[in-house]
Order: sequence, then C-alpha cells, then structure tokens
Amino acid sequence: GENVEQHPSTLSVQEGDSAVIKCTYSDSASNYFPWYKQELGKGPQLIIDIRSNVGEKKDQRIAVTLNKTAKHFSLHITETQPEDSAVYFCAASFNDYKLSFGAGTTVTVRA
Amino acid sequence: NAGVTQTPKFQVLKTGQSMTLQCAQDMNHEYMSWYRQDPGMGLRLIHYSVGAGITDQGEVPNGYNVSRSTTEDFPLRLLSAAPSQTSVYFCASSPRGEISYEQYFGPGTRLTVT
Repeated sequence: GENVEQHPSTLSVQEGDSAVIKCTYSDSASNYFPWYKQELGKGPQLIIDIRSNVGEKKDQRIAVTLNKTAKHFSLHITETQPEDSAVYFCAASFNDYKLSFGAGTTVTVRA
Repeated sequence: NAGVTQTPKFQVLKTGQSMTLQCAQDMNHEYMSWYRQDPGMGLRLIHYSVGAGITDQGEVPNGYNVSRSTTEDFPLRLLSAAPSQTSVYFCASSPRGEISYEQYFGPGTRLTVT
C-alpha cells in the first residue's frame, strides 16, 4: 500500500515568516495529493489539493508543489499569521476516496 | 446543512465491551470513511464505503465492523473493545470525484478503553 512520510513533525515560525512542510510518497500510481488542516478539538479540513497533471497550485497565502519524478510534494505558507497555528496533514491517493495520510506537522506561529 | 455528525463525542469502555459509533451526513455524498487518529501516526483508514450496500476494508480493519444500509448513515461497530482501540475516531464523507474530491470530516469521537 501507499506510504506517506511527512517532515518536520513540529515547526515554529515567527509571524510573517514562511513555513514549508514536505511529504514523500511511495506508490507511483498515486495521482491526488490533498493537504488538511486540523485545529484543536476539530476534524481535519481541506485547505488545498493538487492532481498529478499539475506541478504547482496556489491559493492566496498557501501553495502546493508536486514533483512526480521524485515522488514528493510540499506545502508553502507565506506571511504566516497566528491563525495558521494548527496541525497539517498531507495525504496521497490513487482513487480520490482512499487517502493515505502523513503523520502530521504541528505548526506554531509566534507573535 | 449539519454536514457530518458523530455521536457520542466521548466514550469510556471496559475491555471486552461492544459499542457502535454513529456517523451521519446530510450532503448526499456517496463516499464515506472511518479513520482513527493516534499521536504521531496521522489518520489511518479503518473501513470505507463507495455507496449504500458497499463497504471495504482500509489499512487497519481488525476489530471493527461497518455496514451502509442508507446513503446518510455509516456506523462503526467495535465488537470486543481492547485498550489498543483507545483513539480518536473520525468519520468523513465525500462526493463522487467528478464533482469534488474533498473529504468532509466530522468532529470526532474520543474513545478510551480501560
């Protein structure tokens, strides 16, 4: 099955700085790569996703890049704000509904 | 729309007891899934369903049963609870891929088995 590794496990950044989280996957058949944000006491919520026919996607302050050859993808958050503090999960899938998640990254934005 | 709802929010069981975690969605989504979340391990897929009457195993199915008699409901049954099943359980639903690929998660059930 698919194996997704995520780094780092924790990330502390100064407000206004950028944050980068990286993930690698093992199954070359995977073609869908979403990122979820989980706030304390809540379920995860999709923030951005990318399909394998696209190399980069941006939505305001967040962007995702995908390198299919190297089997890795990354989440970039620019101009971080306190409300960006949360746990972020990457995931990979070859059929949209059967997601394999990374272990998560706890992001803390320092004021 | 209420989205995805889960009951109960918290539950404590003794080893060997059985119980059902309830999950319902009102978005007419075809796909539904159950995940467990443990520290340092992300979310792991337990069982999933691609439509009423159709279920399949995920990554960690042992000790759990599911059924899907309606589009709206997808209960998860613990047959004989074990301390290793102490976890936070999330139910999720998503529409067919032609519309969107987003999975909508419920608020979770925190289960402790003593």
